[in-house]
Amino acid sequence: KAGVTQTPRYLIKTRGQQVTLSCSPISGHRSVSWYQQTPGQGLQFLFEYFSETQRNKGNFPGRFSGRQFSNSRSEMNVSTLELGDSALYLCASEVRGPNTEAFFGQGTRLTVV
Amino acid sequence: AQRVTQPEKLLSVFKGAPVELKCNYSYSGSPELFWYVQYSRQRLQLLLRHISRESIKGFTADLNKGETSFHLKKPFAQEEDSAMYYCALRTQAGTALIFGKGTTLSVSS
Repeated sequence: KAGVTQTPRYLIKTRGQQVTLSCSPISGHRSVSWYQQTPGQGLQFLFEYFSETQRNKGNFPGRFSGRQFSNSRSEMNVSTLELGDSALYLCASEVRGPNTEAFFGQGTRLTVV
Repeated sequence: AQRVTQPEKLLSVFKGAPVELKCNYSYSGSPELFWYVQYSRQRLQLLLRHISRESIKGFTADLNKGETSFHLKKPFAQEEDSAMYYCALRTQAGTALIFGKGTTLSVSS
């Protein structure tokens, strides 16, 4: 079974630009969550999508948005990039329900210069 | 608000020594608790969860609701245990994982 796949693996963007990250979940997993990982703050929840609907949202500004497609693939968009957005963005997929396990992708390393 | 605290950023031990990585949480209900591990250049993966009460790679963790703790323990550390360990909490099924800031475990010979 293929794991969670995130593309691209690395990105360098300039302040003010926007970026789109992609996540392909494990086959059969309809829940996709996004997390931001930084050395100072650790892992922080961004949002979760299930069946193309945002179910949960973390405490991030509106510049961070996402969507999920009918095949469960998800994209995350960050507009008007700031230097502080530099981070590893992780995607996790799971079968939504009790006692389930979140499987993580290898992440997209975003550097804003 | 729910919170997970891992008080140690770095824990350095010698091979064969006991290891305890601390995790405390704040949540008034019955949480689901997890330990995730991230080895160098590998993806974050689940190590164990409190509900299964199993030992994985020699690690165990017991949920202590009185002390709101979920410490990770191993009696004899191995060099291959060196990694970043994250404690995480979920308040109910279908909600987000809340992570602590992680503890780097370094095991040297």
